[in-house]
Amino acid sequence: GAVVSQHPSWVICKSGTSVKIECRSLDFQATTMFWYRQFPKQSLMLMATSNEGSKATYEQGVEKDKFLINHASLTLSTLTVTSAHPEDSSFYICSASGQGRTYNEQFFGPGTRLTVL
Amino acid sequence: KQEVTQIPAALSVPEGENLVLNCSFTDSAIYNLQWFRQDPGKGLTSLLLIQSSQREQTSGRLNASLDKSSGRSTLYIAASQPGDSATYLCAFTSARNTPLVFGKGTRLSVIA
Repeated sequence: GAVVSQHPSWVICKSGTSVKIECRSLDFQATTMFWYRQFPKQSLMLMATSNEGSKATYEQGVEKDKFLINHASLTLSTLTVTSAHPEDSSFYICSASGQGRTYNEQFFGPGTRLTVL
Repeated sequence: KQEVTQIPAALSVPEGENLVLNCSFTDSAIYNLQWFRQDPGKGLTSLLLIQSSQREQTSGRLNASLDKSSGRSTLYIAASQPGDSATYLCAFTSARNTPLVFGKGTRLSVIA
């Protein structure tokens, strides 16, 4: 299968700071990347869909000014949590699909655990 | 609204048993369906993908089936092992390059 990496794998920050999470497709060109959030003992909830070179599409209830998504290249998408607060503490996971990938299969990164103090 | 339901929510079995995890979905117009495994605090590992035109896929001890008419998919695990202990998630997409809709998962424990 394809490899998707995320960096950092975990981060602890103070309330009010901004945190950037990177999602990279290592061996294929990801025309579409998705960002999900997972709270403890819950399933994954879609935050936004990101297509290379265009603005992200956010799900209802997700603040676009708080969760900034940039998909500037076919191998990299970033999620920036601006002015993070404790309620933003969660597990953030990206997935990627795109050129050459069989049947639109999505491949997931290992996730980033964000803890806001 | 598309929904995915997974039953049971949790399952504990002795090592060596064959088991079936169930997934049902409300939207029969699916593009493909995927089964994933998630270990605690980790990301997702894709296990099997079934296209809408297919009825089943197999990989090793795993077999996944898809019945669009009834809105159901099952994941069959043969000869379960303690290493199979994890949360298993079912998810589907309704079109190409659209996001996955996830169920809440089945938490499996295989006891040695």
